[in-house]
This record gives sequence, structure tokens and C-alpha cells, in this order.
Amino acid sequence: DIQMTQSLPSLSASMGDNVIITCRASRNIANYLNWYLQRPGKAPKLLIYGASSLEAGVPSRFRGSGSGTDFALTISSLEPGDFGTYFCQQSYSVPYIFGQGTKLEV
Amino acid sequence: EVKLVESGGAVVKPGGSLRLACEASEFMFDDYTMHWVRQPPGKGLEWVALISWDGSTVHSIDSVRGRFTISRDNSKNSLYLQMNDLKSEDTALYYCAKGRARQSYGSIDSWGQGTMVGVFS
Repeated sequence: DIQMTQSLPSLSASMGDNVIITCRASRNIANYLNWYLQRPGKAPKLLIYGASSLEAGVPSRFRGSGSGTDFALTISSLEPGDFGTYFCQQSYSVPYIFGQGTKLEV
Repeated sequence: EVKLVESGGAVVKPGGSLRLACEASEFMFDDYTMHWVRQPPGKGLEWVALISWDGSTVHSIDSVRGRFTISRDNSKNSLYLQMNDLKSEDTALYYCAKGRARQSYGSIDSWGQGTMVGVFS
């Protein structure tokens, strides 16, 4: 199985900050990497698919990058709704394992 | 707007069985791969299983293989998860989720609100 590692369990930031959340795959997954945001008590929401493609309706402040094994999600000018837990997920091969999550806190 | 409504969650004893259901609407159900994803209380997401749009292909994680069966009934726009020989580690909120792209695998673009399964002695 391909393991996904989000090395930062949590990250503190303020409104207006720019932040980068990283994710590493245990082997090459090309660009089969997705990013989700889960707000407390809510279902996850897809932000980025294919490592860098923005899901419809997601603000352009969110940018995904990377390929192979190392990936990043950059969020510019943090807004209140951006706080929650971010998960990466590989969809290169089953099982489609998620990273452990990075909790973005005020 | 895509709608996914899960049902069937309950509290059961170890070794028990449950059948989760997910009723889908507002999209062409028989065109999309469907998934079950679970989340233990206070923990992260765990992908559990998928079934292709036509039901011909299924995959699941090792820890549930042989105990859980994913299935679908396209005539009823419904997804199912039959869960047998439940263990305490199966305790979680179970989400029904829809694949993003037609007739392919990959990312998930829509989720239900989840149904809770508790396995306690």
C-alpha cells in the first residue's frame, strides 16, 4: 500500500496569512493527489484534485502543487472559513489512503 | 446539487452485523464510482471500499476484506455496505461518497453526512 504522510499534525496561523501544508507519498503517485478540507462536525470537501486542479467553486486562493512523492497545498490570505483539518489522499492505486491530516488553527 | 443520505448505523456487539445504505439523488448514479469512507471518533479519514459505476469492480482495505461487502443497485440509486463480524475497531462515522469523474476512479467530490456505527461489548 502507498502510505501518505502529513508531517505537521497542526499549524497555527492568523487571518490574512499565507500557509503551506505538505504531504508526502511513500512512492511515486504521479499527480494522483487530492486535497480535502474538513470543518468541525462537517463532511470533507474536495479542494484540489490531480495535484493542482481546482475543484469548481473553490477560491483561487487555494493552490496545489507537486508530483511524484512530494506535494503542497498553498492557501493565500487566510479567511475564517479556511480553518479546519486538511487531508491529502492518493488515488493512484487502491487502497486510496488518506494522510493523517493537518489541523489549521487560529 | 448532489444528495447522499446514509442510514443503517447503530450500536452492536462484537461479532454482530449491520447493513448501511446510501440513497443518492440529483446526479446520474449509474455513471459514477461510489465509495465508503469512515472516520473513528476524533481521528482521521480512512477509505474503506469502492464500487465501479456498473458494479463490476470492487476494492476494499485489507482490514475489512472478507467481512464487509460493498454493493449497489442502480435501479434504486442506492449504495450499500454489508458489515459482518464487526469489531471494536470498526467503530466510526461512515460516509457514503461519490467519485468526481464519470466512469473512472480517483477523487471524491461529494459526501453524505455520515451514519454512526458503534461496536461495544
